[in-house]
Amino acid sequence: GEDVEQSLFLSVREGDSSVINCTYTDSSSTYLYWYKQEPGAGLQLLTYIFSNMDMKQDQRLTVLLNKKDKHLSLRIADTQTGDSAIYFCAEMEDDKIIFGKGTRLHILP
Amino acid sequence: DAGVTQSPTHLIKTRGQQVTLRCSPKSGHDTVSWYQQALGQGPQFIFQYYEEEERQRGNFPDRFSGHQFPNYSSELNVNALLLGDSALYLCASSLDGNYGYTFGSGTRLTVV
Repeated sequence: GEDVEQSLFLSVREGDSSVINCTYTDSSSTYLYWYKQEPGAGLQLLTYIFSNMDMKQDQRLTVLLNKKDKHLSLRIADTQTGDSAIYFCAEMEDDKIIFGKGTRLHILP
Repeated sequence: DAGVTQSPTHLIKTRGQQVTLRCSPKSGHDTVSWYQQALGQGPQFIFQYYEEEERQRGNFPDRFSGHQFPNYSSELNVNALLLGDSALYLCASSLDGNYGYTFGSGTRLTVV
């Protein structure tokens, strides 16, 4: 069945790197996504990775995909207070996006 | 270029009432998907519209229905509202066959 799992909370000191992990179940997923949601707001697409890639870097963001283990991670370098939000891992399956429950990233001063 | 616009932004309804939420897709997009996000949860897929037809449906009861118009805009209707229908309802648009989904800011529905 469809299931995307991720840890619920992560606390990181400002300036450190944040790593958010996710596992998914559908091996036929073509695209995997990371979305950001700030309080009271909708979803902002941060980055995505195609399933035949194993890494994608975009400025402070690095996405790693281990297709064999169905494991996806998002690394945010030099974490800032503005990165405080909920981060959703998601997979595309049959033209619909399946989301995890989200990881709340808390930034410590 | 406007992204996805949803209306209203907030809504309060009483149990048993009916509600209609509206979505205008991003310019150039022809597919609209609706999601329900309960507090503290990830968005759950409700259904998807393409060419004015419901193409896919998630695990939601028939009380949830929708429509897509020739200009690609869409409505989500919920009948016989329950307290558990209180949530943020998100609309996402895309171009058929394309990976890129754009989400609106959502409509927050409170059922009392």
